[in-house]
Amino acid sequence: AQSVTQLDSQVPVFEEAPVELRCNYSSSVSVYLFWYVQYPNQGLQLLLKYLSGSTLVKGINGFEAEFNKSQTSFHLRKPSVHISDTAEYFCAARNTGGFKTIFGAGTRLFVKA
Amino acid sequence: DTEVTQTPKHLVMGMTNKKSLKCEQHMGHRAMYWYKQKAKKPPELMFVYSYEKLSINESVPSRFSPECPNSSLLNLHLHALQPEDSALYLCASSQGIQARGGELFFGEGSRLTVL
Repeated sequence: AQSVTQLDSQVPVFEEAPVELRCNYSSSVSVYLFWYVQYPNQGLQLLLKYLSGSTLVKGINGFEAEFNKSQTSFHLRKPSVHISDTAEYFCAARNTGGFKTIFGAGTRLFVKA
Repeated sequence: DTEVTQTPKHLVMGMTNKKSLKCEQHMGHRAMYWYKQKAKKPPELMFVYSYEKLSINESVPSRFSPECPNSSLLNLHLHALQPEDSALYLCASSQGIQARGGELFFGEGSRLTVL
């Protein structure tokens, strides 16, 4: 069975501060890992993905994530957030060779001025 | 700009109405998906089409009927819905199952309200 756990439902942070959104996954088979962002009243947009190779992946809007196989984690980070980063962030996993993408419950990032 | 286009953006329907949601993509993707998303929840998979054939039906009630007329189009036909079916319906596409990654490209969604 496969599961994705996002450890924080809400993360408030001040503008220009660093942020980390935590994600742990569980799977008995190889998976691809993703972070998606959803702005209000919009669909989801891919931020970044880990397929294989280098464990540090960089995405759009200055975000990056680190894959840690021993801790089965894929935490998302940004060194300095902006008001416009306020959104819902979903960590997701997909079996290699499968169609199903399993989403975590989401983390609401709220950036304060 | 999204490369997956969904229409309509908003839909209000009564429980006896028949309506359809439409989705179109021009990225050459061979897999297309319908997801349902309730407020403050992650998307829930409903259907997957691969090469225009239904591959996955996540035990969705028959009042939802998907259709894939060609590789670029995906419809969701709605009939006799219940108020609890009110949600944001998201269409997505991806490369075929053999492709590495298979990240999803989402449309902006159709917000459905059932009265």
